[in-house]
Amino acid sequence: GAVVSQHPSRVICKSGTSVKIECRSLDFQATTMFWYRQFPKQSLMLMATSNEGSKATYEQGVEKDKFLINHASLTLSTLTVTSAHPEDSSFYICSARDRQGPYNEQFFGPGTRLTVL
Amino acid sequence: DAKTTQPPSMDCAEGRAANLPCNHSTISGNEYVYWYRQIHSQGPQYIIHGLKNNETNEMASLIITEDRKSSTLILPHATLRDTAVYYCIVRVAYGGATNKLIFGTGTLLAVQP
Repeated sequence: GAVVSQHPSRVICKSGTSVKIECRSLDFQATTMFWYRQFPKQSLMLMATSNEGSKATYEQGVEKDKFLINHASLTLSTLTVTSAHPEDSSFYICSARDRQGPYNEQFFGPGTRLTVL
Repeated sequence: DAKTTQPPSMDCAEGRAANLPCNHSTISGNEYVYWYRQIHSQGPQYIIHGLKNNETNEMASLIITEDRKSSTLILPHATLRDTAVYYCIVRVAYGGATNKLIFGTGTLLAVQP
């Protein structure tokens, strides 16, 4: 099946610093990628949708200036958490849609655990 | 808002079939039923999807009622590694950027030895 990777898998940073998370589709092209956030014992919450070469679309309540998304190629999207604070500590998961799949299948990365001290 | 309703938790004995129900009474004619699962601290894994016919693959079977208002995911021989949160999601298969997977609360399936 299609593989989506994320890097890093875990990151610990100090409050006020910025953290970049990469999401790559390894064996398919993804014109659309999605970023989710998951707090402990909760479901995945969609943060934003990114399309290759254009600005991301953010869900209501998600600060676009805090969560910067770049989707510069068909296989790479990045999420930068700017000026991170402890409340940003969460599990961040990306997902990529296979543009050539017959049903627009969506595949998920393994997630990135962010801890802000 | 999620368009599906699932029981919050279920138990199943190892080796037995696990039947996970999902209600989607407001499903539209062009919406598919997708099932994903999430093992603890991992990303969701695609299981199966269907429109109106029953579907089967190497992981599971999907039974959709004739009126399409509910469905059941069947894991024929559950193992301990099937312990996970199972999400039932309805979504249009085709479309542009607005075609998103919105997760509800899912069902925590606990397979017991």
